[in-house]
Amino acid sequence: QQQVRQSPQSLTVWEGGTTVLTCSYEDSTFNYFPWYQQFPGEGPALLISILSVSDKKEDGRFTTFFNKREKKLSLHIIDSQPGDSATYFCAEAYQGGRALIFGTGTTVSVSP
Amino acid sequence: EAAVTQSPRNKVTVTGGNVTLSCRQTNSHNYMYWYRQDTGHGLRLIHYSYGAGNLQIGDVPDGYKATRTTQEDFFLLLELASPSQTSLYFCASSDAGGALTGQLYFGEGSKLTVL
Repeated sequence: QQQVRQSPQSLTVWEGGTTVLTCSYEDSTFNYFPWYQQFPGEGPALLISILSVSDKKEDGRFTTFFNKREKKLSLHIIDSQPGDSATYFCAEAYQGGRALIFGTGTTVSVSP
Repeated sequence: EAAVTQSPRNKVTVTGGNVTLSCRQTNSHNYMYWYRQDTGHGLRLIHYSYGAGNLQIGDVPDGYKATRTTQEDFFLLLELASPSQTSLYFCASSDAGGALTGQLYFGEGSKLTVL
């Protein structure tokens, strides 16, 4: 069964620090690898995604890195803010690209 | 932006009970999905559909039925609910290429408790 492995399960970082989340995946056939952000009481929402032909995608304080050879994905949050406290999921395409399969999630707490 | 609405938002039932979770999307997306979210397991795909009358099996389909009656409406049915189905359920939608581009739009979730 296809799996996306995500680590750590949870972490706490001080305000202004850098947060690093990682994922390992199995299938690199498809083009996009997304990260989703979920706040308590809400559904997940797309945060950033990277094309498999790229190795880095930046959006403000959020940067995702893609290593095709090692089948690894990472998300870096610089200058972390209390408002970044959320659960983050990586995902990859599944069943011929008709669905997404998600990692187990990382809960991030940013302390002021 | 796509709007995905789920109902009910909270539901409590007893073991053996019959539950229907509803989802409606208003952006004319082809694909609709049902996921369940549990601590330590993340989001797991139950069923999905790429059009009215279509149903595809996900990763954790046992104990669940689903039906897509229109392009807008997707229902998840638990005919004999069990405590193991206590979970937070999310509906999502995407256009034809949504999964390939990573763009799914999620509802706010339905919390189900089976006593």
